[in-house]
This record gives sequence, C-alpha cells and structure tokens, in this order.
Amino acid sequence: NAGVMQNPRHLVRRRGQEARLRCSPMKGHSHVYWYRQLPEEGLKFMVYLQKENIIDESGMPKERFSAEFPKEGPSILRIQQVVRGDSAAYFCASSTGARVSGNTIYFGEGSWLTVV
Amino acid sequence: AQRVTQPEKLLSVFKGAPVELKCNYSYSGSPELFWYVQYSRQRLQLLLRHISRESIKGFTADLNKGETSFHLKKPFAQEEDSAMYYCAASYVIIQGAQKLVFGQGTRLTINP
Repeated sequence: NAGVMQNPRHLVRRRGQEARLRCSPMKGHSHVYWYRQLPEEGLKFMVYLQKENIIDESGMPKERFSAEFPKEGPSILRIQQVVRGDSAAYFCASSTGARVSGNTIYFGEGSWLTVV
Repeated sequence: AQRVTQPEKLLSVFKGAPVELKCNYSYSGSPELFWYVQYSRQRLQLLLRHISRESIKGFTADLNKGETSFHLKKPFAQEEDSAMYYCAASYVIIQGAQKLVFGQGTRLTINP
C-alpha cells in the first residue's frame, strides 16, 4: 500500500498563476481532507470531501480556492491567482469511512507551495 | 466552536529534563483526543490517542474532562524528541462524519 500520495512535493508559482495540488488517497479510502500549514503556524482544516461530494468546506477561503474529488482520479486542490500569502505546506489526509479516529486517518507528505 | 489550544508555540528543555506540552479543547460532545508528531518537513505521525491510554516513545497523556485538557508528558526528554507536536480533537460535523481539528502546534527543542 503506497499510502497517501501527494504531488507535486514542491511547487513554485509566480503571483497570479494557478496552483494545482493532487492527492491520491490510500487504496480503499473514499474520504479526503485538506489541511494548510502556514510557516510557523499550526494545521488549519480546509475541506473534507467524499467521492464527488464536498462535505465540509468551512475552512476554505471564500475566493480563489476550490477542491474536488472526482469519481475517478485524485483529489485536486486548486488555487487561482496565487498571492504570496498562499505560500504554505498543504497536507492531504484520507480515511476509510466517515467516522474518523486517529488511527484510521493517514496523512500524505505534503505539498510545499512557494509563491514568488 | 470547535477549538484546540496549545498555549506554547515554542518549548525548550534540556536533555533528561521532564517535558509537558499543554493542550486544551473546547467541549462539544465527547471528542476523541490525539497527539501527533511531525519531524522536520515530514508527514504527521500519530503519537497517541486518549482512548487507547498507551505510552509511545515514553510519552503519555491524560484526558482531564473537568479541565478539558489533554497534556502530553514525558519524564526524561531525549534529543530525538525535538519536533513539532500537535494536539488534535475529533469532532462530529454531520451525523456519522467527523473531522480532526488541530491546535497551533508546539515546537519542542531538546538541548544537549
């Protein structure tokens, strides 16, 4: 089992460009979570998705950010017109079912976005 | 509101000294509590959870419902304990579904 796979691991974008971060959950997992870790800050919940559905997006900025988890393929976190403040590590996690507990949610290694 | 608070962003202790990382949570139902550890630029790893009441790498944590706290402790710190530590709580968001809410994290540095 390859675990939660995120790519790219590192991404550099100029201000105004788009960033796309991908997350392939563990095999058999249909629940995906995205978290953002700003420099020297903690992890902030962004969005929780199931296949083809957004369940909770209470942590997503209202503009420029979107997430999807299609029936086929990885989950995508999309940031349009990036700004310097978007520079952060973005972590994806997945779980088998709706009920999450610490030993059934698995994290990826993160994608580090740098906006120049 | 669902909130997990770690009051110390940085904590520095000497090797062999006791360590205590503080964590408080807002009461909303009966959340499960966890501690995660993140070594430099790596993925988060589950350290322990209150339900299992286990001890991992010498760390323990006791859930105090009266004080809504879940402090992480280790009697004798080791240099390899230097890392970022996150306290997390699992809250119900919709019936049957939960999410993890993390504290701000505490960066622990063990000095030789």
